[in-house]
Amino acid sequence: GENVEQHPSTLSVQEGDSAVIKCTYSDSASNYFPWYKQELGKRPQLIIDIRSNVGEKKDQRIAVTLNKTAKHFSLHITETQPEDSAVYFCAPHTSGTYKYIFGTGTRLKVLA
Amino acid sequence: SQTIHQWPATLVQPVGSPLSLECTVEGTSNPNLYWYRQAAGRGLQLLFYSVGIGQISSEVPQNLSASRPQDRQFILSSKKLLLSDSGFYLCAWDRTYEQYFGPGTRLTVT
Repeated sequence: GENVEQHPSTLSVQEGDSAVIKCTYSDSASNYFPWYKQELGKRPQLIIDIRSNVGEKKDQRIAVTLNKTAKHFSLHITETQPEDSAVYFCAPHTSGTYKYIFGTGTRLKVLA
Repeated sequence: SQTIHQWPATLVQPVGSPLSLECTVEGTSNPNLYWYRQAAGRGLQLLFYSVGIGQISSEVPQNLSASRPQDRQFILSSKKLLLSDSGFYLCAWDRTYEQYFGPGTRLTVT
């Protein structure tokens, strides 16, 4: 948590291409690393998460990779589809705290 | 299963008027509850959280306040709204750190 940055802020890809979004955080005590997807006008929903004892997790077309030494984790979406178009937020968290800090968001546009 | 409700869904209020937004959770007991605000095109800002009845922690100083009169009820209030209070207000609860958001209230202050 604490300082959380996401890059890029916007990302446009052709349908079928891959997309990667990176989240950098400052709190070395962070041990839970989720990614949320927010479609236009809707609530954010968790799409994938990883805990600090795992380096990578995959769920069909999406994956999350974690580099605790460098304090960043990334969202990977392969074979992108138009329905992947949304804003994606990271929210690294430290267990035992109630303070959730969300990244500034990445707007992904998948062009058909 | 757990469900989280928020109302109203949309609200248009003049500057200086009071505000009351309500959030209720079903299907769980003693949840941690959160209020977030999302300005247009921006990220999520944590406003308040509560770990139990009557227990409120504020994250950002502002003209808003929160209350938790019942275990599964969380209320966001203001005595006098500012233009800058416009935004999308989201209530949430968590389980093993995953945040579950309500449908949100879109507030426009005119």
